[in-house]
Amino acid sequence: GAGVSQSPSNKVTEKGKDVELRCDPISGHTALYWYRQSLGQGLEFLIYFQGNSAPDKSGLPSDRFSAERTGGSVSTLTIQRTQQEDSAVYLCASSPDIGRGELFFGEGSRLTVL
Amino acid sequence: AQSVTQLDSQVPVFEEAPVELRCNYSSSVSVYLFWYVQYPNQGLQLLLKYLSGSTLVESINGFEAEFNKSQTSFHLRKPSVHISDTAEYFCAVRNTDKLIFGTGTRLQVFP
Repeated sequence: GAGVSQSPSNKVTEKGKDVELRCDPISGHTALYWYRQSLGQGLEFLIYFQGNSAPDKSGLPSDRFSAERTGGSVSTLTIQRTQQEDSAVYLCASSPDIGRGELFFGEGSRLTVL
Repeated sequence: AQSVTQLDSQVPVFEEAPVELRCNYSSSVSVYLFWYVQYPNQGLQLLLKYLSGSTLVESINGFEAEFNKSQTSFHLRKPSVHISDTAEYFCAVRNTDKLIFGTGTRLQVFP
């Protein structure tokens, strides 16, 4: 596809379960970002990849959150032992060149933890 | 650390009226500033950006923003809004290799 693709678009899970969220960036984009969007909180930076490396993980809220990127392409954000406060929309974005500042966002994965 | 503040969480306005969405930034170094827009049920997309040069930048759909260093502001303006401008608008500043976003302003345009 031409844009950033995220799956699932919606995920409902029970507290304590693990979830995996997937991001397919635009082909050729070397930088990949994960953000979290909560009501009234704006966009919260989680982690960024340059290729398969994560130079900046400073936004991950706790050690229950992890992410990886393979082949310089697909990325997976994993949340272990989910809590209700993890409920949010998780956004992925990719960029060919952060110097230009243009991020191309997917439509997000809405996570609801019951 | 660089950050942005969007003072208004919601801005209601009637169609064809002017609008200003406020954004202030904090930075001790040169800044790159952005406005992103999120239309209902869509992903965020870049509206306009300031990297260098002219302090007044424009978008293709009539929005403009002015980089004001003395006031540390990057307010977004449009002289006459349309119903289709209803969306959430996010101001952002580049911080090393990532963008830091504000909390967003929901623009609601009424007929």
